[in-house]
Amino acid sequence: GQQLNQSPQSMFIQEGEDVSMNCTSSSIFNTWLWYKQDPGEGPVLLIALYKAGELTSNGRLTAQFGITRKDSFLNISASIPSDVGIYFCAGQITSYDKVIFGPGTSLSVIP
Amino acid sequence: GAVVSQHPSWVICKSGTSVKIECRSLDFQATTMFWYRQFPKQSLMLMATSNEGSKATYEQGVEKDKFLINHASLTLSTLTVTSAHPEDSSFYICSARDPGRRVYGYTFGSGTRLTVV
Repeated sequence: GQQLNQSPQSMFIQEGEDVSMNCTSSSIFNTWLWYKQDPGEGPVLLIALYKAGELTSNGRLTAQFGITRKDSFLNISASIPSDVGIYFCAGQITSYDKVIFGPGTSLSVIP
Repeated sequence: GAVVSQHPSWVICKSGTSVKIECRSLDFQATTMFWYRQFPKQSLMLMATSNEGSKATYEQGVEKDKFLINHASLTLSTLTVTSAHPEDSSFYICSARDPGRRVYGYTFGSGTRLTVV
C-alpha cells in the first residue's frame, strides 16, 4: 500500500534558526499536503501542493512538490516558539481522495 | 469557512459500553467525511470513509461491526464505538472537504479523546 516516510523523526532547534524536513513516498501522489498538529488538536493544513516541481510559500513556510511526485520538503524560516508541534506530510491521489499521512516530525524550539 | 466540529471533545466510558462521536460540517455540506484514529505519539490512521446516504467504506483491518458509521445528512457523520474496551482508547478525528471551495486537502475537526476504563 501507499506509505510515506518523514525525516527527521524529531528536531530540537534554537529560536530563530531555519528548519527543513522531508517526506518521501513509495508511490506517486498527485497532491502533497503539509499539516501541523498541536497537542490535543486536529491537524491544520499549512500548505497544499498539486503540481510536480511546484514551490509554494505561506509566510515563513516554504514547501516543494518533488518532480518525481514521490517527495516533498517543508522549510520553516526564523523559527519561533509557536512553531512547536508535529508536522505531518500527507498525500492524495486526487483532490477528492482520502488523505494518507506520514509518521510526522516533532519540532521543539528552544527559546 | 470550512469549519468542522466534533463532539464531545473528550469522553470517558466503562468497558463494554458504547460511545457515539459526532462530526459536523458547520458552514458547508459534506457528501464525504473521513474518520481517523491516532494513538499517542503516532500518526493519523484512516479508519473509514463516510458517504452520505450510503454505507461507509472501511480500511483493511478496521472492524465495521465495532466502529459503526452513520452519515445520515450532508452535515453530520457519527462514529459509534460499540462494546468499547481499553485498547479502543485513542484520539478520534474526523475530516471533511467543502466541495464548493477549490481547496486541496481536508479540514479536520479538533478530535475526540476516548478513554475506556
